Amino acid sequence: EIVLTQSPAALSLSPGERATLSCRASQSVNNYLAWYQQKPGQAPRLLIYDASNRATGIPARFSGSGSGTDFTLTISSLEPEDFAVYFCQQRFNWPPITFGQGTRLEIK
Amino acid sequence: EVQLLESGGGLVQPGGSLRLSCAASKFTFSPYAITWVRQAPGQGLEWVSSISASGGSTYYAESVKGRFTISRDNSKNVLSLQMNSLRADDTAIYYCAIDRVTFGVGAFDCWGQGTLVTVSS
Repeated sequence: EIVLTQSPAALSLSPGERATLSCRASQSVNNYLAWYQQKPGQAPRLLIYDASNRATGIPARFSGSGSGTDFTLTISSLEPEDFAVYFCQQRFNWPPITFGQGTRLEIK
Repeated sequence: EVQLLESGGGLVQPGGSLRLSCAASKFTFSPYAITWVRQAPGQGLEWVSSISASGGSTYYAESVKGRFTISRDNSKNVLSLQMNSLRADDTAIYYCAIDRVTFGVGAFDCWGQGTLVTVSS
């Protein structure tokens, strides 16, 4: 099973700042990595798939990069609605599909 | 707007059974694999089970294998999850999700609102 480790567990930033979230895989997932945003009481929302492709309707301030075992989600300039929990997910070697434990992005 | 709607959650005693359903509206889900993902209270996301577009292939997390059964009826646009021998650690919100981007399991762009399953005596 591929384990995804996200860091940091929590990140405290102000609107307008840049956010950098990390996801590290226990073995290569090629580029088969997705990122999701989840707000309280809501289902997750797909942001990025295959490491760097923005999903439909996702603002350009969200970008993904990386391949192999190290991946990054960057939010270039935080908007108030971006404060949420972010999860990564791999599909390279499944089953099982695995998710990271999440990074909580909080308002400073 | 495309929607998935789960139902069937509730309170059940340990060892009991529940059957969850996921219905699609405003689109046909027959071309897509469908997946169940769960989230225990205050916790992260956990993959539970997936089924291929035809229904001919099914996949399960080790934690539910032998207890849960996924199935689909493409003629009715309905997905089911039969859950038997439920345990306290099955308590979670259960989401159905579809990847319309890669037609697989790598980019779940459509999610239901979730249905809460509570296993407790």
